[in-house]
Amino acid sequence: GAVVSQHPSRVICKSGTSVKIECRSLDFQATTMFWYRQFPKQSLMLMATSNEGSKATYEQGVEKDKFLINHASLTLSTLTVTSAHPEDSSFYICSALLGGALWETQYFGPGTRLLVL
Amino acid sequence: AQSVTQPDIHITVSEGASLELRCNYSYGATPYLFWYVQSPGQGLQLLLKYFSGDTLVQGIKGFEAEFKRSQSSFNLRKPSVHWSDAAEYFCAVSTGNQFYFGTGTSLTVIP
Repeated sequence: GAVVSQHPSRVICKSGTSVKIECRSLDFQATTMFWYRQFPKQSLMLMATSNEGSKATYEQGVEKDKFLINHASLTLSTLTVTSAHPEDSSFYICSALLGGALWETQYFGPGTRLLVL
Repeated sequence: AQSVTQPDIHITVSEGASLELRCNYSYGATPYLFWYVQSPGQGLQLLLKYFSGDTLVQGIKGFEAEFKRSQSSFNLRKPSVHWSDAAEYFCAVSTGNQFYFGTGTSLTVIP
């Protein structure tokens, strides 16, 4: 149990276009999901916390107008990278919180590799 | 401020040898502790977690970890490493309000 999927697994896009990444909890409901960004050989950097039915909470330094997050249902959160630029190229990972409290376990998706040309 | 430290950036072990990956945290109370593994180009997989109770916790793939309050540590161990264990390992801590990841330890397994 506790499976999280991400789609697409990898995407290549032109500079200036927008890209949407989906994160789904397949066998449980997640009121809270997280979006991370990971640079090569580095740890995960939390971008934002996504709560179902409310606005996402962004970490300091993350542009909320550039990284749009929508958590419209208990099993789906989306991250849209708007007007993508080459510096947005990265590995994006989502996680879903099993249970309502932050001390519960996060289950991670397989990640989405974004390459902006 | 709370933090998670993984002192070893990279570790190389021979297949069949024992392994210990270190994790230290800084937090006033007992946090919730996790170890995750990440294979190249993949997401993170939960190996084990500690919330309370027995300080020695067993996880998947033959891993175990021991919580030592006096040392603020939660080291990950495996008695005999397999080549498939080569990956990046992340220690994580939850205080109940925030979730922190360590910087990771890259494990190389040599035949």
